[in-house]
Amino acid sequence: EVQLVESGGGLVQPGRSLRLSCAASGFTYDEYAMHWVRQAPGKGLEWVSGVTWNSDTTVYADSVQGRFTISRDNARTSLYLQMNSLRAEDTALYYCVKDISTTISGDLAFGVWGQGTMVTVS
Amino acid sequence: SYELTQPPSVSVSPGQTATIPCSGDKLGNKYACWYQQKPGQSPVLVIYQDTKRPSGIPERFSGSNSGNTATLIISGTQAMDEADYYCQAWDRSTVVFGTGTKVTVL
Repeated sequence: EVQLVESGGGLVQPGRSLRLSCAASGFTYDEYAMHWVRQAPGKGLEWVSGVTWNSDTTVYADSVQGRFTISRDNARTSLYLQMNSLRAEDTALYYCVKDISTTISGDLAFGVWGQGTMVTVS
Repeated sequence: SYELTQPPSVSVSPGQTATIPCSGDKLGNKYACWYQQKPGQSPVLVIYQDTKRPSGIPERFSGSNSGNTATLIISGTQAMDEADYYCQAWDRSTVVFGTGTKVTVL
């Protein structure tokens, strides 16, 4: 069974940092691009960042560019999101998401989602 | 920045067809995906690359994309289809989600 389990969320003060982790299992992890998508309480979906299968390309939403860093460890089948200079508007449920492809391009789609980890900046 | 616009809500009677539009500039030149999200649950991919259904998604879900509008069609809508639906596309190295549509099965 394909599983994505996020951890690392919590309550943090504005300006501080937090690191999210995602443990993947049930599929060949190094064959897929991975992403983080967030959802503020009662709001819609917002893509945050993505990384290709071999980490040669990382992409970010304008809202987090320069503050957040995505990374992956294929040996540990894990995905990470380092979040610095956190703001109140970063408060959201953060989902770890598996792409349907190895690369990040126009035909991407988010095939599997974790349950999310909540980040509250206050 | 690129925007995808959806109606806030769509109502449909059981057994009827629900049509959910997603509008964006020249969206037909890009691939569109659709996600279903039920309350308290994570989103689920129901359509990708405009018209393809992932395994396990019922045949009553279909999609199209042309001009400035992508459309999700739910034929023979069931009570279990009541959910929020989001379209998604890729533009200039950024993933864009639509504003979301709440589908109510009356």
